[in-house]
Amino acid sequence: GDSVTQMEGPVTLSEEAFLTINCTYTATGYPSLFWYVQYPGEGLQLLLKATKADDKGSNKGFEATYRKETTSFHLEKGSVQVSDSAVYFCALSPSSGGSYIPTFGRGTSLIVHP
Amino acid sequence: DTAVSQTPKYLVTQMGNDKSIKCEQNLGHDTMYWYKQDSKKFLKIMFSYNNKELIINETVPNRFSPKSPDKAHLNLHINSLELGDSAVYFCASSSGQPLAKNIQYFGAGTRLSVL
Repeated sequence: GDSVTQMEGPVTLSEEAFLTINCTYTATGYPSLFWYVQYPGEGLQLLLKATKADDKGSNKGFEATYRKETTSFHLEKGSVQVSDSAVYFCALSPSSGGSYIPTFGRGTSLIVHP
Repeated sequence: DTAVSQTPKYLVTQMGNDKSIKCEQNLGHDTMYWYKQDSKKFLKIMFSYNNKELIINETVPNRFSPKSPDKAHLNLHINSLELGDSAVYFCASSSGQPLAKNIQYFGAGTRLSVL
C-alpha cells in the first residue's frame, strides 16, 4: 500500500536558519503530494502541493519539489521565523483506487527559537 | 465563516460514558472524514463517508459509530469510553476527487480526555 515517511522531530532551529524536512513516499502510479501545517491548538491546513514530476509547490516562503526519481518531496525554507513553529505533515493523494483516501506521514515538529 | 466546524472543542468525561462529537462543513464537499491524532501527533484515519455512505472503516472498535444525516454533516458517537480513547479527533472534508483536487479541509479538533 501507499506510505509516506518523514524525518523524525523535533527539528529545533534559530530564527533565520535554513529549514529542510525530508519526505519520501511509496505509491503506485503518479500521486499528488502535499504538505500540511498544524499550528498549536489548530487543525491541519494545506501549505503547498504538487501534482506531477518536477512540479514545485510554494507558499509563505516554503517550497517543495516533486522528485519522481527519488520519490521525495522535501520541504524547505530559506529563513525560518518563530511563527513557523508548528507540526508539518507530508501527504499523498493516490491517482487510482477509487476512494482517493490520502496517506499522511507521522508529522515533524519544528521549533524555532528567537 | 468557518468551513469545517466541530463541537465541542474540549470534552472531559469519565470512563464508561457515551459521548458525541458533531461536525459540519459548508464547502459543498461530497466526502467527509474522521481522524484520530494521538499525543505524538500521529494522525490516523478512522472513517470516510461519501454522500452519506460509508466508504472507509479502518480498524476502529465498534464502540465508535459515525452517522451522516446529510452530506454536510458527519457526527461521531462513542460508547463506553475508555482511557485509550483520549486523543484529539479531527473532522475533515474534501471534494473526494482524485489527485490535487483531494485537498483535505480540517476542523479545529475536539480534545477528548477520558478520566
